[in-house]
Amino acid sequence: SQQGEEDPQALSIQEGENATMNCSYKTSINNLQWYRQNSGRGLVHLILIRSNEREKHSGRLRVTLDTSKKSSSLLITASRAADTASYFCATDAGDQGAQKLVFGQGTRLTINP
Amino acid sequence: ETGVTQTPRHLVMGMTNKKSLKCEQHLGHNAMYWYKQSAKKPLELMFVYNFKEQTENNSVPSRFSPECPNSSHLFLHLHTLQPEDSALYLCASSQHRGRINGYTFGSGTRLTVV
Repeated sequence: SQQGEEDPQALSIQEGENATMNCSYKTSINNLQWYRQNSGRGLVHLILIRSNEREKHSGRLRVTLDTSKKSSSLLITASRAADTASYFCATDAGDQGAQKLVFGQGTRLTINP
Repeated sequence: ETGVTQTPRHLVMGMTNKKSLKCEQHLGHNAMYWYKQSAKKPLELMFVYNFKEQTENNSVPSRFSPECPNSSHLFLHLHTLQPEDSALYLCASSQHRGRINGYTFGSGTRLTVV
């Protein structure tokens, strides 16, 4: 069943601007993760935020998590043409065994030079 | 290279063919996964293997048959597929739950069923 839903479905901005993508989910989670996918390729893990964390940074990426609203956001600052890709949030709701990530439909981000 | 290798990268098969997808990781991960990515749909979890044991079969049709001979290798055997099975098939691996740091994905196999 679909857990994460990204918003917007597509986003087009100018190089140098900031890009914000949002994710909502339905059930309690252990952690939420963001991934990036270039066209037709595998996904690349960007950042993981645990349920007891509210904000996390990695380079130009900033992720927030609001468990009361069951939502997360990914901010990419000072965007570059190379940031053009699809971005997915994924939630891990299990507490034992292997991680079992449920992915949203993704946000297609286009950075215009 | 991510450390997870999938072969072949592209596969075209007829509905009566039998083929296999291969996934290999040497990251020391204990869990391996198959996901299906179709156009305009979220990634669909198909199978989960944890320490070589299948722990999840997400109602996948029997024409897809996974095999995990050891923690480093994962196969997806395909037979009598349908055109709607055409998709990007992604393999991923991860650490055990005590050391969660996300999945590592392969580059995928683009499957076309004709």
